Amino acid sequence: GAVVSQHPSRVICKSGTSVKIECRSLDFQATTMFWYRQFPKQSLMLMATSNEGSKATYEQGVEKDKFLINHASLTLSTLTVTSAHPEDSSFYICGWGLANTEAFFGQGTRLTVV
Amino acid sequence: DAKTTQPNSMESNEEEPVHLPCNHSTISGTDYIHWYRQLPSQGPEYVIHGLTSNVNNRMASLAIAEDRKSSTLILHRATLRDAAVYYCIPTEGAGSYQLTFGKGTKLSVIP
Repeated sequence: GAVVSQHPSRVICKSGTSVKIECRSLDFQATTMFWYRQFPKQSLMLMATSNEGSKATYEQGVEKDKFLINHASLTLSTLTVTSAHPEDSSFYICGWGLANTEAFFGQGTRLTVV
Repeated sequence: DAKTTQPNSMESNEEEPVHLPCNHSTISGTDYIHWYRQLPSQGPEYVIHGLTSNVNNRMASLAIAEDRKSSTLILHRATLRDAAVYYCIPTEGAGSYQLTFGKGTKLSVIP
């Protein structure tokens, strides 16, 4: 399968700081990408969907000014968690896909805010 | 989005076949049925997808009911590496593309 590189895999940051998570598709191009977060023993919760060149569509309850998504190209997207708080501690996962074909996911970023 | 119902958990013996069911009774005629799985502390992994006909690939088979209101993911010989949470996800065939994960089925494989 295709390779998605998500970086960093783990990050610890202080409360009030910002953290940027990078997601790259290494060997394919896809128009749609997804950002999820996952709390322990829960399913993945879709945060936002974005298409290259367009603004991300955020799910209800997800603050767009707090979770900044930049979908710069068909192979690169970033999620910035601004002014992080301990409740933002979670497992963040990115995914790339083309409609009605398989999607490919990064290995996740475990964010801990202290 | 079509709603899905999956068993919370299932068990299988190693090297036995596993049938993972999914009900998606509100699926529309153009929705594809995707299956993904997630191993602990990893991102999801694509397993298989289909529209109407049964599908086979190197990982699994997908049996889709004639009325499309349910489907079954078949792992022909479960291995310990197949222990994961399996998600059944209908996706719109027309319009916006979205992958919304439900609660899935946690599959345990017994040696």
